[in-house]
Amino acid sequence: DGGITQSPKYLFRKEGQNVTLSCEQNLNHDAMYWYRQDPGQGLRLIYYSQIVNDFQKGDIAEGYSVSREKKESFPLTVTSAQKNPTAFYLCASSIGGAGGRPQETQYFGPGTRLLVL
Amino acid sequence: AQSVTQPDIHITVSEGASLELRCNYSYGATPYLFWYVQSPGQGLQLLLKYFSGDTLVQGIKGFEAEFKRSQSSFNLRKPSVHWSDAAEYFCAVALKTSYDKVIFGPGTSLSVIP
Repeated sequence: DGGITQSPKYLFRKEGQNVTLSCEQNLNHDAMYWYRQDPGQGLRLIYYSQIVNDFQKGDIAEGYSVSREKKESFPLTVTSAQKNPTAFYLCASSIGGAGGRPQETQYFGPGTRLLVL
Repeated sequence: AQSVTQPDIHITVSEGASLELRCNYSYGATPYLFWYVQSPGQGLQLLLKYFSGDTLVQGIKGFEAEFKRSQSSFNLRKPSVHWSDAAEYFCAVALKTSYDKVIFGPGTSLSVIP
């Protein structure tokens, strides 16, 4: 089955620690996205990537970093600079690229809940 | 300021009753419009989307939405709610001039009374 997987489902971070959230898709999509979800605030865009080896900051990129070395993978690192990391993190993908049209449907993974110890 | 608003933070309806969730946007031109649903602890699933054409859009799970340009609204409706519809609902927009990003509203939480 095609889809998006995120791991782990729950992640605990200690003070000053960097942690990495995994996102993998086998939909052959060019575009991938990371969102942060807090209660009552909807989804906010952290980073997005339209193609391998390229990515752009979203609205709340401070304290986060990403890489896009492979089409299938778009890991998100929550660095120690992110002072309030407790949230639900959602990864999404869409066709994007030369084969896609604007506003293609985004497909979401099941999410990772990050908690601070 | 440009924004997507969902005026109702939480709505409770009885099973079998009709439902309408409101969404308003504030942009210079008509954007692309979406409704997503999120079950507790899960990712989001697209219910329906509007790009152009017929202003009444049919989606999955018996949902529909109507685009009203004069009111800058894209309200979601369902004639008869089922208990399994209890979830968080997000309205979202994407600007035609900046298709890279989808902007989500704050969400409306729906509870269904058996």
